Amino acid sequence: QTVVTQEPAFSVSPGGTVTLTCGLTSGSVSTSNYPSWYQQTPGQAPRTLIYSTHIRSSGVPGRFSGSILGNKAALTITGAQADDESFYYCVLYVGRDISVFGGGTKLTVL
Amino acid sequence: EVQLVQSGAEVKKPGESLKISCEGSGDSFTSYWIGWVRQMPGKGLEWMGIIYASDSDTKYSPAFQGQVTLSVDKSISTAYLQWTSLKASDTAMYYCARTYSSSPAPLLHWGQGTLVTVSS
Repeated sequence: QTVVTQEPAFSVSPGGTVTLTCGLTSGSVSTSNYPSWYQQTPGQAPRTLIYSTHIRSSGVPGRFSGSILGNKAALTITGAQADDESFYYCVLYVGRDISVFGGGTKLTVL
Repeated sequence: EVQLVQSGAEVKKPGESLKISCEGSGDSFTSYWIGWVRQMPGKGLEWMGIIYASDSDTKYSPAFQGQVTLSVDKSISTAYLQWTSLKASDTAMYYCARTYSSSPAPLLHWGQGTLVTVSS
């Protein structure tokens, strides 16, 4: 069973930079996993931030960026703002037309 | 603008059947895959399965195989998620989402969600 890992929680100061990661318990993440990142605030539908590793979805601020760092996918927020406080989920394509979400990271801005 | 509009909240009893919908607009519905995502109360997102609107090719996460059925009616640009016998543990928010391209990943556009409550 494929498991996608994310940090359960992270905190960042306003104006600071934070990098959230998304890994696989077995193997490395690559662009072939089409890593994607979603932001969700309580009571709202997920919002697509980044897809296919680094492509920013329409309307997403430039302070959000995606990459591969080492053997994981990464979401970097540069110049964090108060309204970035949210849950962040990654999803990885694991083959045979199946994808798996990570458990999500709760980001606190303080 | 691509839009996915889901059907309204449902309250059902254990053992009942249910079919919820996801209507697409703003683009060629049959060129993309529609995925379904579960979010149980206070929990994270779970990828359930995905269906190609053009030919109804369907893939399920192992965790959901046999538990739900995905279908699509391309004549009305609508995808469906169906249960034949609901359980209390099916209580959750369900989201549909459309892929970025004709590949089964990644999911890009999201519906607003349908809350399903199963209680006796």
